[in-house]
Amino acid sequence: AQSVTQLDSQVPVFEEAPVELRCNYSSSVSVYLFWYVQYPNQGLQLLLKYLSGSTLVESINGFEAEFNKSQTSFHLRKPSVHISDTAEYFCAVSDRMTGNQFYFGTGTSLTVIP
Amino acid sequence: DTGVSQDPRHKITKRGQNVTFRCDPISEHNRLYWYRQTLGQGPEFLTYFQNEAQLEKSRLLSDRFSAERPKGSFSTLEIQRTEQGDSAMYLCASRFSSPRTGGNEQFFGPGTRLTVL
Repeated sequence: AQSVTQLDSQVPVFEEAPVELRCNYSSSVSVYLFWYVQYPNQGLQLLLKYLSGSTLVESINGFEAEFNKSQTSFHLRKPSVHISDTAEYFCAVSDRMTGNQFYFGTGTSLTVIP
Repeated sequence: DTGVSQDPRHKITKRGQNVTFRCDPISEHNRLYWYRQTLGQGPEFLTYFQNEAQLEKSRLLSDRFSAERPKGSFSTLEIQRTEQGDSAMYLCASRFSSPRTGGNEQFFGPGTRLTVL
């Protein structure tokens, strides 16, 4: 089974500052990688995903993540955060061969400070 | 709204009672998943369906839990003889899966928050 580690449970950052949310997974097989965001009292929404091709993937709201196979990482970054980015962020991985289960990390709570 | 819907959004029950939750997936999605999420944790996989067939169950899914998807559309998750430890957010997700679309993401519903007193 896969496992996903999100090293930081809480990340406070000032508005307009850059942020990186870390994600590492344990796998010896090819995987698909995802970042989901969860706003208070809402379900999870897909932020971005890596399936194949370019290792740098971007979302429409300025987030990006880079797949690093050698380090089995998929860190999420944003060069300048907004108040509205305050939310819980989950990294997830699924096995490329079966794609049946998604394994989620424990989440990182991002708080943007005005 | 054509997203994943769940009903009810909140459920408060007394220990020992049975509860049932419903999930309506996106209509063309053939796979449906149930997860449990507790405070400070990510979603934990419970079970999933391919159409009406339940293909995989987590060991988290004790004998008190049962899920169905009788016509390959909506699904129900029932918990019998609820315990306080069952208190959690129960999330449903769906996706379309085919040999050519292995990387399709799961679309999540808003969840049902269960509180067992």
